Amino acid sequence: GENVEQHPSTLSVQEGDSAVIKCTYSDSASNYFPWYKQELGKRPQLIIDIRSNVGEKKDQRIAVTLNKTAKHFSLHITETQPEDSAVYFCAASEFHDMRFGAGTRLTVKP
Amino acid sequence: DGGITQSPKYLFRKEGQNVTLSCEQNLNHDAMYWYRQDPGQGLRLIYYSQIVNDFQKGDIAEGYSVSREKKESFPLTVTSAQKNPTAFYLCASSPGTSGSPGELFFGEGSRLTVL
Repeated sequence: GENVEQHPSTLSVQEGDSAVIKCTYSDSASNYFPWYKQELGKRPQLIIDIRSNVGEKKDQRIAVTLNKTAKHFSLHITETQPEDSAVYFCAASEFHDMRFGAGTRLTVKP
Repeated sequence: DGGITQSPKYLFRKEGQNVTLSCEQNLNHDAMYWYRQDPGQGLRLIYYSQIVNDFQKGDIAEGYSVSREKKESFPLTVTSAQKNPTAFYLCASSPGTSGSPGELFFGEGSRLTVL
């Protein structure tokens, strides 16, 4: 089955700086790559996703890039704000067997 | 109010007892999932179901069982065979019937503690 690795496990940035989280996947058949944000004590929520026929996708301060050849994808958050502090999970799937990375705890210091 | 509901939110059980976690959705989604969340290990897939009366094992299915008799419901039973059942359990659903699932909608989770 799919194996997703995520780095770093923790990330601390100053408010206004950029944050980058990277993931690799093992199954070349995977074609859907979402990112979820989980705030403390809350359920994970989708923040952005990308499909394998697209190399990059942006939504305001958030962007995701996908390199199918290298089998890795990344989340980029620009102009970070304290409310961006949370745990972020990447995931990959071909069909309904979605696998998640171990998560990155992002702390944005004011 | 549409959504996905898990119950109970907190559950305690003694070793050797089976326990069933409830997951109900009124989003008319075809697919449903169970994940286990442990600190530092992300979300690990236990079981998933793409359609009523059908389900597949995930990566850590041993010691768990599920049923999908109704579209709205996907209960998870943690059996006494599960060696380390203390964890946070998340149920999710998605609308996809074929191909990749699209967005997963998560419940608020159930925290199981084995005493």
